[in-house]
Amino acid sequence: AQSVTQLDSQVPVFEEAPVELRCNYSSSVSVYLFWYVQYPNQGLQLLLKYLSGSTLVKGINGFEAEFNKSQTSFHLRKPSVHISDTAEYFCAVGASYGKLTFGQGTILTVHP
Amino acid sequence: DTAVSQTPKYLVTQMGNDKSIKCEQNLGHDTMYWYKQDSKKFLKIMFSYNNKELIINETVPNRFSPKSPDKAHLNLHINSLELGDSAVYFCASSPAASSYNEQFFGPGTRLTVL
Repeated sequence: AQSVTQLDSQVPVFEEAPVELRCNYSSSVSVYLFWYVQYPNQGLQLLLKYLSGSTLVKGINGFEAEFNKSQTSFHLRKPSVHISDTAEYFCAVGASYGKLTFGQGTILTVHP
Repeated sequence: DTAVSQTPKYLVTQMGNDKSIKCEQNLGHDTMYWYKQDSKKFLKIMFSYNNKELIINETVPNRFSPKSPDKAHLNLHINSLELGDSAVYFCASSPAASSYNEQFFGPGTRLTVL
C-alpha cells in the first residue's frame, strides 16, 4: 500500500525567499511521484513528476524536486518565490490503474 | 477550450435529495476519475473508469453510483444525500490507467448538503 506524508501543513515565506515543501512517501512497488498545485477555487495542476532517471526533476514555474530513495522523500523547492506562488501544494504517489494517493497538502503563503 | 469540465460548479441541496454531477473531457483520454476533497482539503479517489469500464471502486457508500456513457463522460449520481457528503468533488482524466500518467483535473463541484 502507498502513503504520503507532507510534513508541513502551512509554510509562510517572504517574496523572493527560497522555499522547500517536504514530502515523504511509502510504497511497496515502483515509485512514481507527483507534485500538484491547487490555486484558490481551482482544480489541481501538475507541477512536476518523477518516473525514473535523474533524481532532480524540474517542473513548471521554476519549481524542482529531488527524489531520495534512501530517505523516501520527494521534497519540492523553489529558489525564489513570487506572490503568485501562493497556493496549496499536494504530493502524490501513483499506483495501479492510475490511482493517486495524495498527501494532506501544504499551504504556501508568500508575503510581500 | 476547457480540457476537463464539470457541471454544476456549485450545488446546494437538502438532506435526502438525489443529485448528479457531470464530467466531460475533450482530451481523448481513456481513463477518468472521481475524487472527493473534504473540508480539510484531503483528496481521496472514489472511482475510476477505463474505456467505460469500472476499474477502481474505493470504499464509498453505495449511495454513490458512477456512470460512464462513453469514454469522454463520467457522471456521479448520489442518492439520499447526507450532511457528510458536503465536499468538493473533482473529476480527472488521464491518457491511460497507468501509475505514471499525469492526471488532468476539472475545476471541481462544491456540494453543500443542508
